[in-house]
Amino acid sequence: GAGVSQSPRYKVAKRGQDVALRCDPISGHVSLFWYQQALGQGPEFLTYFQNEAQLDKSGLPSDRFFAERPEGSVSTLKIQRTQQEDSAVYLCASSLRDSSPLHFGNGTRLTVT
Amino acid sequence: AQSVTQLGSHVSVSEGALVLLRCNYSSSVPPYLFWYVQYPNQGLQLLLKYTTGATLVKGINGFEAEFKKSETSFHLTKPSAHMSDAAEYFCAVSDDDKIIFGKGTRLHILP
Repeated sequence: GAGVSQSPRYKVAKRGQDVALRCDPISGHVSLFWYQQALGQGPEFLTYFQNEAQLDKSGLPSDRFFAERPEGSVSTLKIQRTQQEDSAVYLCASSLRDSSPLHFGNGTRLTVT
Repeated sequence: AQSVTQLGSHVSVSEGALVLLRCNYSSSVPPYLFWYVQYPNQGLQLLLKYTTGATLVKGINGFEAEFKKSETSFHLTKPSAHMSDAAEYFCAVSDDDKIIFGKGTRLHILP
């Protein structure tokens, strides 16, 4: 079956622009996570949804970052007024339920110029 | 908060040699522990996980890891390295509702 799908695969934004990154999780997966992976680093937790409820957003680095999952399926990570330090790969992962293994998408590589 | 430390950001082994990637975790209670692998331009894939029970966990592609509570370690091993094992490996630990990753170890395989 289909895995986790993220789009776009690559995104170049000028500093100050807003961007929206999309994640289509595996059908039926309850849990959805967003991670940020800077070059040469491990993934850093951003936020977590259980169905449509955002249960943990402690990892969002600033109020410019916003995530939603309105119908408990597709999720969008929005970054307003992008800065150069936002350049990273943004990974989405889903799991069947809490404590189940995560299934990752291939990520969106964001470059802010 | 939980954390993991991976010793060595780069490890090189010869093809056919033993692979050993080190991971230590910080936790006062037995956590769930994971190893993920990331091939170039691909998403992370689960290699293996420890939840409860047997402390020696076998994963895909011939990898295994042993949970040692006394050492707070979860090192990843493979008896004989293949060229296809060249990738980045991440140790991870559960922390309430999320998984926390280490900084990763890039494994290089020498011909």
